[in-house]
Amino acid sequence: AQTVTQSQPEMSVQEAETVTLSCTYDTSENNYYLFWYKQPPSRQMILVIRQEAYKQQNATENRFSVNFQKAAKSFSLKISDSQLGDTAMYFCAFMKHASDNDMRFGAGTRLTVKP
Amino acid sequence: EAQVTQNPRYLITVTGKKLTVTCSQNMNHEYMSWYRQDPGLGLRQIYYSMNVEVTDKGDVPEGYKVSRKEKRNFPLILESPSPNQTSLYFCASSYRLAGRNEQFFGPGTRLTVL
Repeated sequence: AQTVTQSQPEMSVQEAETVTLSCTYDTSENNYYLFWYKQPPSRQMILVIRQEAYKQQNATENRFSVNFQKAAKSFSLKISDSQLGDTAMYFCAFMKHASDNDMRFGAGTRLTVKP
Repeated sequence: EAQVTQNPRYLITVTGKKLTVTCSQNMNHEYMSWYRQDPGLGLRQIYYSMNVEVTDKGDVPEGYKVSRKEKRNFPLILESPSPNQTSLYFCASSYRLAGRNEQFFGPGTRLTVL
């Protein structure tokens, strides 16, 4: 079974600075998908970024980028120019492949952006 | 507006009183799923459905039932709720196509069982 580990239960960062959230996963699959979801205080789950394992290029979405290291099974999220609205719980998630929508989540990292 | 809706958003009930949490999506997604979120555990899948009349157990199905009679609806049923089912519940839906299968989540239902 696939497992996802987020080793940082809580993190904080000063506004405008950069922070990196860690995620590792365990799988024997070669093709899969990885996601970062954001859950602000409103509790809504919001997709931040996704990465297909067959793509070597790291995904980016504006201030959000990932460092995908397939051999190390690592998928960290970098948030640049942190904003107060980035304060949220962040979940890393793994999906085996396109025909299997089974998604596995990590325990989450609570990020606080300080003014 | 494309969305997943859940009702109710908040519910306080007592042990043993049957309840249903509704979930509906308007995106014609084949796949729907229920998760529960507990502190330190992230989201864990309860049940999922690949299409109408097709449902299967996730990681924590005990004490829950689901049905998928229509493509857009996927209700979660607790026949006899117990305090250990106090949690935050999310419904999610997605396509089953490569490149379009990220899950869209409902707003969550906070359930308290006394």
